[in-house]
Amino acid sequence: DIVLTQSPLSLPVTPGEPASISCRSSQSLLFRNGYNYLDWYLQKPGQSPQLLIYLGSKRASGVPDRFSASGSGTDFTLKISRVEAEDVGIYYCMQVLQPPRAFGQGTKVEIK
Amino acid sequence: QVQLQESGPGLVKPSGTLSLTCDVSGGSISNSNWWCWVRQPPGKGLEWIGEIYHSGSTNYNPSLKSRAIISVDKSKNQFSLKLTSVTAADTAVYFCAREADFDLWSGYDNWGQGTLVIVSS
Repeated sequence: DIVLTQSPLSLPVTPGEPASISCRSSQSLLFRNGYNYLDWYLQKPGQSPQLLIYLGSKRASGVPDRFSASGSGTDFTLKISRVEAEDVGIYYCMQVLQPPRAFGQGTKVEIK
Repeated sequence: QVQLQESGPGLVKPSGTLSLTCDVSGGSISNSNWWCWVRQPPGKGLEWIGEIYHSGSTNYNPSLKSRAIISVDKSKNQFSLKLTSVTAADTAVYFCAREADFDLWSGYDNWGQGTLVIVSS
């Protein structure tokens, strides 16, 4: 099974400042079609997870452009260019290359 | 706009069977690709349980040791999860979600609000 490791697990941020979360996979998530099968989800407090990024770097509908993601193979990064108060919550990467699909442990982002 | 809504008993006895349904509204269940179940124990992270493809094929998390069964009822526009031989470790909020694109993976873009299931006598 593919295992995802996120870092850091806790990320205090200052509004207006950038933030970055890393996700490493135990196996390459690059498929033969050239896409990396890795998603990013945000779970705000008391809410269901919401899709931010799919296929490694594609922003989901309605996601602000301050969110971006990059990486290929086994190393991925989610970046927030300027953190806003509404961005607090737990961020999860998820491998969707093959079953069993799996989430990383989550990174809790909170305002300093 | 497709909406998902989980329902089922909030309390299940140990060794019993957890049964949940995800009602799909605003669109046909046949018009999306993957339908899945995810759970979250209190204070912990997300765990993928399994999924059912629009054709009916399924994939499960082997960590559940074959206790999970996911099925679709197209006539009711819903899909279901059964988890047998439950223990306290199965206490969690259970979410249903869908992935819509038949051509290229587009992420789980629609989620239910989640339903808490407690396993206790």
